[in-house]
Amino acid sequence: NAGVTQTPKFQVLKTGQSMTLQCAQDMNHEYMSWYRQDPGMGLRLIHYSVGAGITDQGEVPNGYNVSRSTTEDFPLRLLSAAPSQTSVYFCASRGQGALAGELFFGEGSRLTVL
Amino acid sequence: AQSVTQLDSQVPVFEEAPVELRCNYSSSVSVYLFWYVQYPNQGLQLLLKYLSGSTLVKGINGFEAEFNKSQTSFHLRKPSVHISDTAEYFCAVILMDSSYKLIFGSGTRLLVRP
Repeated sequence: NAGVTQTPKFQVLKTGQSMTLQCAQDMNHEYMSWYRQDPGMGLRLIHYSVGAGITDQGEVPNGYNVSRSTTEDFPLRLLSAAPSQTSVYFCASRGQGALAGELFFGEGSRLTVL
Repeated sequence: AQSVTQLDSQVPVFEEAPVELRCNYSSSVSVYLFWYVQYPNQGLQLLLKYLSGSTLVKGINGFEAEFNKSQTSFHLRKPSVHISDTAEYFCAVILMDSSYKLIFGSGTRLLVRP
């Protein structure tokens, strides 16, 4: 069972560079999301999607874009990286509806922006 | 506004001692409650959840939590901790309205010492 797979695990960028964090899940989950984790701040929701073709902003969406062309994939794009985006990023998915509330997380992508 | 509060950012404890990690929430709607655990350099995984029924719920690795609606709390407990329990623990709620929004607390780092 692959679950939620994120790539890359580590990335170093220079200010202004762009990159895409990949996320794929094989559980046929409708709901997918991206969080960033910073010391002392817990997890903050960046963007989420409730199904293919549908995306919405979370708590901290600025500087990030997402798309959802398939059920399986939910990439996160940084168009012009800034040092404030240095963080650990987690992709997570769950079945639709609150009763399927358990989130399944990827192992994380550690991004450093110089 | 809805929120989840974990008052203790770090809890040091000796091996085989009992531990309680505190979680309080604020919400104008009903909630489902969760505890997640994050081991070093890994993603989060579900420890236990409360959806309905008995207010005392048991999870993996000997952990349990009790839902107290009047105090809006969902504290996590373990009667005897092991070194391997050293991790970060996150409390989370799902709002039982049309948003099904998931809100995380800021996390509590449990440090088990020999």
